[in-house]
Amino acid sequence: NAGVTQTPKFRVLKTGQSMTLLCAQDMNHEYMYWYRQDPGMGLRLIHYSVGEGTTAKGEVPDGYNVSRLKKQNFLLGLESAAPSQTSVYFCASSGDGYEQYFGPGTRLTVT
Amino acid sequence: GEDVEQSLFLSVREGDSSVINCTYTDSSSTYLYWYKQEPGAGLQLLTYIFSNMDMKQDQRLTVLLNKKDKHLSLRIADTQTGDSAIYFCAEVSHGGSQGNLIFGKGTKLSVKP
Repeated sequence: NAGVTQTPKFRVLKTGQSMTLLCAQDMNHEYMYWYRQDPGMGLRLIHYSVGEGTTAKGEVPDGYNVSRLKKQNFLLGLESAAPSQTSVYFCASSGDGYEQYFGPGTRLTVT
Repeated sequence: GEDVEQSLFLSVREGDSSVINCTYTDSSSTYLYWYKQEPGAGLQLLTYIFSNMDMKQDQRLTVLLNKKDKHLSLRIADTQTGDSAIYFCAEVSHGGSQGNLIFGKGTKLSVKP
């Protein structure tokens, strides 16, 4: 099992560009999450999903959209990137809503 | 609102015990967690404790929970250089049946040989 994988690992965007981050899990987990990690801020929840076809807002959802068309995938989209979205993005999944398993992260820089 | 507080740095000598402390605000939290993050890597779940317990031991790790003071600690016995990492405390947020976690800012543990 690969666990939780994230694509890409690194990306540099110019302000105003768009991109999609892909998270995939092979553990048949119902719950999936997107977090961002900023220096000195810990991890903050952006959006989450409790099952295929569902999404919900977390603590810092503005500027991001998500989709969960397939149970194993959770996509995070930035429609118009801003420098404030420079961060490390982590995806996580959980089978029971309690034990979360994290991916390796995507480092995004917006110039 | 909900908040999780941790000290930012801890330095110990190899072989000593490390104690990382955390305070949280949500008294209704059902689970409390400790995650480890090594440089350039994702978060690894180390251990967790259910709120009706006051202690959990797992090999070199001991978790103590004081619900009255909303205080959680992680003790690492016989700390090794491989334990150098950032340790995050987290609680399940209010109404968190979806498993939404509130993380502390992390404690950077440095282990000196």
